[in-house]
Amino acid sequence: DAKTTQPTSMDCAEGRAANLPCNHSTISGNEYVYWYRQIHSQGPQYIIHGLKNNETNEMASLIITEDRKSSTLILPHATLRDTAVYYCIVRARSSYNQGGKLIFGQGTELSVKP
Amino acid sequence: EAEVAQSPRYKITEKSQAVAFWCDPISGHATLYWYRQILGQGPELLVQFQDESVVDDSQLPKDRFSAERLKGVDSTLKIQPAELGDSAMYLCASSFGQVEGNTIYFGEGSWLTVV
Repeated sequence: DAKTTQPTSMDCAEGRAANLPCNHSTISGNEYVYWYRQIHSQGPQYIIHGLKNNETNEMASLIITEDRKSSTLILPHATLRDTAVYYCIVRARSSYNQGGKLIFGQGTELSVKP
Repeated sequence: EAEVAQSPRYKITEKSQAVAFWCDPISGHATLYWYRQILGQGPELLVQFQDESVVDDSQLPKDRFSAERLKGVDSTLKIQPAELGDSAMYLCASSFGQVEGNTIYFGEGSWLTVV
């Protein structure tokens, strides 16, 4: 399973864009990049995922480099409620006896400050 | 919006006692996952079901943990006997299918404290 590398922590000013980087240099051709976040004491919340193309939804944008070895999650206008741990995950390929599970790392602790 | 339901939200139990957690996945989701999250760490997969069948239980401590999904809908995770090191949040998640393009959705988790 491809591993990811994320900074341990980041700060962002409220109202500014938060750009969270992730390295996944060993990603395989048909493995997806998923982003989740976890606010203290709650279950992980799905944010966005992508394969090759950049993706955008109501929560965030995902920018994947052309070689797919890294990606950036962008929260366009961070609010205090975006303070959370953000996990970048390369989703394991499904096979006969193992099906597409998510393998979490340590994530990035994002602090949005007033 | 449909959610993954879990209960109880919080549970305190004495070591050597039995404890059980229940999960009701999003309707129509065939794949169900149980994760454990120790404070300060990311979630770790314990067991994965496809319908009523176990797909992956390689990280489940089978001497004390068991999981079932008898009718392929809701699921129960049991610990017997509980140990102090089992104190953690137990997360249930579900997805429409196993393939990596299907989004996995998590419940709010069940916090276990073993005393």
